[in-house]
Amino acid sequence: EVQLQQSGAELGKPGTSVKLSCKVSGYNIRNTYMHWVNQRPGKGLEWIGRIDPANGNTIYAEKFKSKATLTADTSSNTAYMQLSQLKSDDTAIYFCAMSLTTVVPDYWGQGVMVTVSS
Amino acid sequence: DIQMTQSPASLSASLEEIVTITCQASQDIGNWLSWYQQKPGKSPQLLIYGATSLADGVPSRFSGSRSGTQYSLKISRLQVEDIGIYYCLQAYSAPYTFGAGTKLELK
Repeated sequence: EVQLQQSGAELGKPGTSVKLSCKVSGYNIRNTYMHWVNQRPGKGLEWIGRIDPANGNTIYAEKFKSKATLTADTSSNTAYMQLSQLKSDDTAIYFCAMSLTTVVPDYWGQGVMVTVSS
Repeated sequence: DIQMTQSPASLSASLEEIVTITCQASQDIGNWLSWYQQKPGKSPQLLIYGATSLADGVPSRFSGSRSGTQYSLKISRLQVEDIGIYYCLQAYSAPYTFGAGTKLELK
C-alpha cells in the first residue's frame, strides 16, 4: 500500500524557515514526481511546484520561486520542502502528493499545518 | 499562467439529483484536466484525469467531459458522501493551476 506520511505541525516565527518532510512507503519515489500544494485557511488549493527525485529537477509556480525549495532523498524515499522568510501569509496547510498512476497528483499526504506567528 | 475559471462557486442539490460543475481554461489545455474532491479536514482525492478517465476506486456516477476549452464534471445521482468541495486542475503546463473550487451542499 502506498502511503505518504508528512511531518508534524510547525509553528514558525516571521523571518525564519521551516522544512517539511514527506516520507513515502510502498513506492520508489525515483519513479514519480513529488508535488507540493498549499491551502490557506478557508481558501482553495494552490500548486507550489514539483520535483523529479530521480534527477532533482524542479519546477515552481512563479510566486513560490523565492519562497519554497524542493528537495528529495531517494535513499530514504523522502521529499522535502523548505519555506524561507516566513510571513503570516504563509500560514496554511501544506500537502505533498505524488503522481503514481497518472501524471497528476493522485496520492496525497495528510497535510501539515504551518502557522507563522511571533 | 493558465487560468482556470470554475463555476458555480457553490451549489445546493438534492439527493439523486444530477450535478454539473464546469471549468473554463484560458487557453487550449487538451485533455490535461483533472478533478478532485476534498472533504472537510481531508486531503484532496483524484476523481477524474485526462478530462474523462475515472480514477481507481471512484464510483461510476462521476464522469468528466470536454468541449473545447470547457470541462465538466457530472455526478449522475448525488449521494450524501459526495458532499464536499470540488476542484479542477490543469496539468498542461507548469505552473499547474487549480480552479477556485465549487462547494457542493445538500438541499
